[in-house]
Amino acid sequence: AQSVAQPEDQVNVAEGNPLTVKCTYSVSGNPYLFWYVQYPNRGLQFLLKYITGDNLVKGSYGFEAEFNKSQTSFHLKKPSALVSDSALYFCAVRDGGATNKLIFGTGTLLAVQP
Amino acid sequence: ETGVTQTPRHLVMGMTNKKSLKCEQHLGHNAMYWYKQSAKKPLELMFVYSLEERVENNSVPSRFSPECPNSSHLFLHLHTLQPEDSALYLCASSQEGPNSPLHFGNGTRLTVT
Repeated sequence: AQSVAQPEDQVNVAEGNPLTVKCTYSVSGNPYLFWYVQYPNRGLQFLLKYITGDNLVKGSYGFEAEFNKSQTSFHLKKPSALVSDSALYFCAVRDGGATNKLIFGTGTLLAVQP
Repeated sequence: ETGVTQTPRHLVMGMTNKKSLKCEQHLGHNAMYWYKQSAKKPLELMFVYSLEERVENNSVPSRFSPECPNSSHLFLHLHTLQPEDSALYLCASSQEGPNSPLHFGNGTRLTVT
């Protein structure tokens, strides 16, 4: 069965510093990986996805994610954090050999201090 | 404007009431989803409709009844709910295929009293 883990409930970073939000996954087939962001009282917004190709994927708002097959990880990164990046971030995985079922992690709260 | 509109944004209902949540997408997608988001829990996939046919039903209690009359509209009919059903209910849509991202509405915050 497919699964995704976000080991950190919260990540704290100072504005201007680089940030990393961690994600590891488990699938039986080829992974389709996604990152979403959720601001208070809003739905989830798509940030970026990895399907195949380059291991470094660039997305919205200056975010990028690095796919590492050997470590089954897909960490979200940004070179310089903004206070406005403070939100809840979700990693999600879909098994390419299965249905449209998208499984989400438990979410990581990113807090960027000014 | 997300392209996926959910109404109402907030709903308070008693355990004996019947209500419905509505979702409409304007993105031309052919798959629609209901997720439940509770505090301290992962998002729970409830139902998936693909080309207006239900393809996923994750052991959801029968007090939740989905309806997808066409590819643009999705409903979640609620009856005799329990207080533990209080949560944020999120609707999403996508194109068919594993590499298509989901587009979410802003959710309906449901409180069962």
